[in-house]
Amino acid sequence: AQKITQTQPGMFVQEKEAVTLDCTYDTSDPSYGLFWYKQPSSGEMIFLIYQGSYDQQNATEGRYSLNFQKARKSANLVISASQLGDSAMYFCAMREGSGADTGRRALTFGSGTRLQVQP
Amino acid sequence: GAVVSQHPSRVICKSGTSVKIECRSLDFQATTMFWYRQFPKQSLMLMATSNEGSKATYEQGVEKDKFLINHASLTLSTLTVTSAHPEDSSFYICSAEGATEAFFGQGTRLTVV
Repeated sequence: AQKITQTQPGMFVQEKEAVTLDCTYDTSDPSYGLFWYKQPSSGEMIFLIYQGSYDQQNATEGRYSLNFQKARKSANLVISASQLGDSAMYFCAMREGSGADTGRRALTFGSGTRLQVQP
Repeated sequence: GAVVSQHPSRVICKSGTSVKIECRSLDFQATTMFWYRQFPKQSLMLMATSNEGSKATYEQGVEKDKFLINHASLTLSTLTVTSAHPEDSSFYICSAEGATEAFFGQGTRLTVV
């Protein structure tokens, strides 16, 4: 079964508008972390934001915020005031477990969403 | 944040030859590093977990004799694609993980001709 589901293969947004990229996840582990990465055409993976399963508040990093709805198992990424440079692939990922063991666990990635920002 | 350096960024090799990709953690010690493969327009798929001083753990379907992983020190893991074939052409990327972030190398685009 898919652990991370991104249902939007592609999204368009007008420059300066906000956009939400969807992500749902599946785990029975009470401890987990959720990540969003941006991958431009160069291939590098750029870390955007992290949300821990026990975090009470939604994570925010500049123009990025994570809409964490634990009961629904969703972790949508919201990008405010889109810029042309935001055009890229966006991946949602999860890592199960916590504590000292987390460094030994890889991320599981969703299929990604290609975002195109239009002028 | 921590820096992971991957080299080379791009390589073209002839079918049947071997290619070595290096992944270094520059400012921290990584007892565990991960190797992913990404085919065009697809997601990152975990190939193997590289453990310092011990054998790598390979994901199901990944040939350990074809993708040799060596993690001889706390700052260096290498992936060697042996007897490369055109179907091995892909984007390979390594990572080391912190508590709230995974640090990725720049990736290696391998083309086998």
